[in-house]
Amino acid sequence: GAVVSQHPSWVICKSGTSVKIECRSLDFQATTMFWYRQFPKQSLMLMATSNEGSKATYEQGVEKDKFLINHASLTLSTLTVTSAHPEDSSFYICSASRQGWSEAFFGQGTRLTVV
Amino acid sequence: TQLLEQSPQFLSIQEGENLTVYCNSSSVFSSLQWYRQEPGEGPVLLVTVVTGGEVKKLKRLTFQFGDARKDSSLHITAAQPGDTGLYLCAGDGRDGGTSYGKLTFGQGTILTVHP
Repeated sequence: GAVVSQHPSWVICKSGTSVKIECRSLDFQATTMFWYRQFPKQSLMLMATSNEGSKATYEQGVEKDKFLINHASLTLSTLTVTSAHPEDSSFYICSASRQGWSEAFFGQGTRLTVV
Repeated sequence: TQLLEQSPQFLSIQEGENLTVYCNSSSVFSSLQWYRQEPGEGPVLLVTVVTGGEVKKLKRLTFQFGDARKDSSLHITAAQPGDTGLYLCAGDGRDGGTSYGKLTFGQGTILTVHP
């Protein structure tokens, strides 16, 4: 399968600071990348869809100004959690796909802890 | 409203037992994927089923797509402790076409196989 790399795997930050998470497709060009949030023992909750070179589409209830998504190239999308608060602590996962594919391939996830 | 109903949500069994996980919907999907996720990691694609009635086998795992492409099942024979994890079904292309990786996820099934 295709390889997607997410970095960092875990991060601890202070409340009020911003954190950037990177998602890279290593062996294919991803026309679309997705960002999810996952709570313990639950399924994935889609936050936003990002297409290369255009603005991300956010799911209902997701704050655009808090979760900034940039998809500047066909192999890289970033999620920046701005002014992080403890309630933003979670497991964030990206996936990537491309036109013509029905599957998506996932990164390893990032465990964010805001203290 | 959950578009993909996955059951059971929790399954705790002894090594050597068989089990089946179900994924049901009132919508037709162009394809359906099954993923396995271990704690602290991203989901890993196990299989994609595309044709109604299709059966795919992956060692001790058997996946089936319903004739009407509205449901799927995952059957594990002689479960082993290494099968422990979160199993997710995900559909692409609800009501036809393709979602290009924007998957509709089930709630997930947490499987624990005791030695």
